Amino acid sequence: EADIYQTPRYLVIGTGKKITLECSQTMGHDKMYWYQQDPGMELHLIHYSYGVNSTEKGDLSSESTVSRIRTEHFPLTLESARPSHTSQYLCASSETGVSNQPQHFGDGTRLSIL
Amino acid sequence: TQLLEQSPQFLSIQEGENLTVYCNSSSVFSSLQWYRQEPGEGPVLLVTVVTGGEVKKLKRLTFQFGDARKDSSLHITAAQPGDTGLYLCAGNRNARQLTFGSGTQLTVLP
Repeated sequence: EADIYQTPRYLVIGTGKKITLECSQTMGHDKMYWYQQDPGMELHLIHYSYGVNSTEKGDLSSESTVSRIRTEHFPLTLESARPSHTSQYLCASSETGVSNQPQHFGDGTRLSIL
Repeated sequence: TQLLEQSPQFLSIQEGENLTVYCNSSSVFSSLQWYRQEPGEGPVLLVTVVTGGEVKKLKRLTFQFGDARKDSSLHITAAQPGDTGLYLCAGNRNARQLTFGSGTQLTVLP
């Protein structure tokens, strides 16, 4: 059973605010990921981490930043939110090991910037 | 440029019909995964295929990996309203990240 949690589920906030999206997993997975997804569309990888103090940018350029100070926690931060950041953000984790490990997803944060 | 193209993008069918969803690429993948995503939730893994030509069955769902490991298909027999969702294929190229397809939004009408 996957245990990965994202908060908040929904966030509506004004332009220029600093936002942090939380993601925590209780499975002890080393690998964690952040994806951006517009409704009904594909997932675009924006950040990933292979362990504590390891973070990399994904294929889709993003103005967000991430940190990985603890294995279970992988927060995403937007320093100054803009309407173009409106989207759904999905966090995922997977085990280290063979390359075809499944990714376990949280239920996402739907972000709307006014 | 979309690395993994899924077709059709949208599919609406009646309960009891059969359907096939395709996932195509010009790149070779070491493995390919299929996920289903329901509204308001994250994607959930359905299957992983690894070997070229591999066929896996999951109840009424049949997954096939192309011989050249560049494409895959998902066939659903006797679709039910509970099959409604966004179906995503995801390919593993470099053992580091997954590349997700463009998705097929399936609606099964009762």
